[in-house]
Amino acid sequence: DSGVTQTPKHLITATGQRVTLRCSPRSGDLSVYWYQQSLDQGLQFLIQYYNGEERAKGNILERFSAQQFPDLHSELNLSSLELGDSALYFCASSLGPYNEQFFGPGTRLTVL
Amino acid sequence: AQRVTQPEKLLSVFKGAPVELKCNYSYSGSPELFWYVQYSRQRLQLLLRHISRESIKGFTADLNKGETSFHLKKPFAQEEDSAMYYCALRGGGSQGNLIFGKGTKLSVKP
Repeated sequence: DSGVTQTPKHLITATGQRVTLRCSPRSGDLSVYWYQQSLDQGLQFLIQYYNGEERAKGNILERFSAQQFPDLHSELNLSSLELGDSALYFCASSLGPYNEQFFGPGTRLTVL
Repeated sequence: AQRVTQPEKLLSVFKGAPVELKCNYSYSGSPELFWYVQYSRQRLQLLLRHISRESIKGFTADLNKGETSFHLKKPFAQEEDSAMYYCALRGGGSQGNLIFGKGTKLSVKP
């Protein structure tokens, strides 16, 4: 599958813990975006990387951080987790910032 | 502030009936507008964008700057159109990130 991949599919953890979500973009895509989907807030943009550098920040909490590695995969780190962080986290990739974004299947995070 | 509003959480129609999913946006410049669709157990995918002015799967959407709307329309709904539909905006000053509405679930009944 040459599409966007995300691991893990599901993650269950406890409050106060830290987790790392991983995203591999489509082959050739340089831009990676992270979005959070929760029942009350809908799909919200978190952060964007282009070719390893941060390009834009959205509603990302200080407890969250991300990076894009030289091989262009990206990781989203969520720390000091709270119940309200339970959500679907989507990664998307595109060739460049203004090209079509292709979405991954998402990681469902449950914080107990 | 940039905002996308989809007033209907759920829209239920019968097969063959016309469909209109509403989308209104708030943006001071010249935005790009998109419709994304998510079928059951599938990924979110682009349905159409206003700049291409195309019809995909029978759906069309016209950008109305006066009413700041980008409603999605289809004259005759099919059961396979049942899905979640998200309207999204990309601002001209942005780095490409999208601002999504909360989505409308379309249910087409036989």
